[in-house]
Amino acid sequence: ELKVEQNPLFLSMQEGKNYTIYCNYSTTSDRLYWYRQDPGKSLESLFVLLSNGAVKQEGRLMASLDTKARLSTLHITAAVHDLSATYFCAVDWYTNKLIFGTGTRLQVFP
Amino acid sequence: DTGVSQDPRHKITKRGQNVTFRCDPISEHNRLYWYRQTLGQGPEFLTYFQNEAQLEKSRLLSDRFSAERPKGSFSTLEIQRTEQGDSAMYLCASSYRERQGAYEQYFGPGTRLTVT
Repeated sequence: ELKVEQNPLFLSMQEGKNYTIYCNYSTTSDRLYWYRQDPGKSLESLFVLLSNGAVKQEGRLMASLDTKARLSTLHITAAVHDLSATYFCAVDWYTNKLIFGTGTRLQVFP
Repeated sequence: DTGVSQDPRHKITKRGQNVTFRCDPISEHNRLYWYRQTLGQGPEFLTYFQNEAQLEKSRLLSDRFSAERPKGSFSTLEIQRTEQGDSAMYLCASSYRERQGAYEQYFGPGTRLTVT
């Protein structure tokens, strides 16, 4: 059965700093998604990664996928308070159901 | 069409009662998914439909749960004889086939169920 793990689970970072969230999964897949969730809200799609080596960037966030290592990263550049949220990676498995990671709760402080 | 909608947004019920939730997907999307999310966890897959056919059900979906999508448009999720462990956010998502066989899922606002 597919397992998806994220680390860290909680990340407190200062504005202006850089950091990376890691997403490891246990079974071959070449489709991975990143979502953002604000407290009490639903999921907002951030990135769709569809092949090995895929890299996508939007603003201060950049996501990449290494299917051979079964690893995706979400890199945050020069963090700002508005990025505070929980970030989930999700692996698309077989019938296109999504298997979600544990989530990384990001808190950005001044 | 502005996105996936769900109704109600919040539901409080007493243990043992039945509840039904509705999801209206984005109109051109042929796939519809249900997920459940408990506090501090990622969403867990429950079931999905392609058009009106229910193609997969998770083992999380006990026989107290039933989902339908009668005309391939909106879907309902019913929970019978609710238990406190059913308290969660129930999320609906819809999708259509895009490039490279991917189905990007767009999520609704969710229905938060509290069983007292």
